[in-house]
Amino acid sequence: SQKIEQNSEALNIQEGKTATLTCNYTNYSPAYLQWYRQDPGRGPVFLLLIRENEKEKRKERLKVTFDTTLKQSLFHITASQPADSATYLCALPGGWGKLQFGAGTQVVVTP
Amino acid sequence: GAGVSQSPSNKVTEKGKDVELRCDPISGHTALYWYRQSLGQGLEFLIYFQGNSAPDKSGLPSDRFSAERTGGSVSTLTIQRTQQEDSAVYLCASSQDSLSGNTIYFGEGSWLTVV
Repeated sequence: SQKIEQNSEALNIQEGKTATLTCNYTNYSPAYLQWYRQDPGRGPVFLLLIRENEKEKRKERLKVTFDTTLKQSLFHITASQPADSATYLCALPGGWGKLQFGAGTQVVVTP
Repeated sequence: GAGVSQSPSNKVTEKGKDVELRCDPISGHTALYWYRQSLGQGLEFLIYFQGNSAPDKSGLPSDRFSAERTGGSVSTLTIQRTQQEDSAVYLCASSQDSLSGNTIYFGEGSWLTVV
């Protein structure tokens, strides 16, 4: 299985700025990587998937990059809003189809 | 149903009792997962079912934990002789299949408190 590292410190950011989160993995390069959002007391919700042959993926104000050389994915929230405040999880296939999650990074967007 | 349904949403039980948590996945989804999340922690993989294949039980923390999936649909996670360290949110998720990076959809979780 993979060791997945996400910044455990909360990211505090001012509304309108870009939030950038990091997901590092240590073992084999996965065929894909996913990002999820989790609000307090709720289950995670899928945001984006990026495959190993894709460098970048966008969805509205979200952008994900995938660098298999660095074994890293970056997750960007542009023009951040207070409603973007949540914990963001990256997830990779952990072998035989199961999905393995990082511990998540909390984002707090202040007006 | 429209989404993954879990029950009960909250359960308080006494130490040493057995509990059963139920998951009803999205219709047609062949892959089903159970994860555990302790307060302020990440998701810990417990068990995964894919179609008719033998389940991957590699994440179950002890033999007090077991799960089954009947008829390829509803799943039950059973914890025997509960301990206080079992207190957590138990999240179930499903996907169309697990082999091509399909989105997995989570339920809202079953919050278990062992007193």
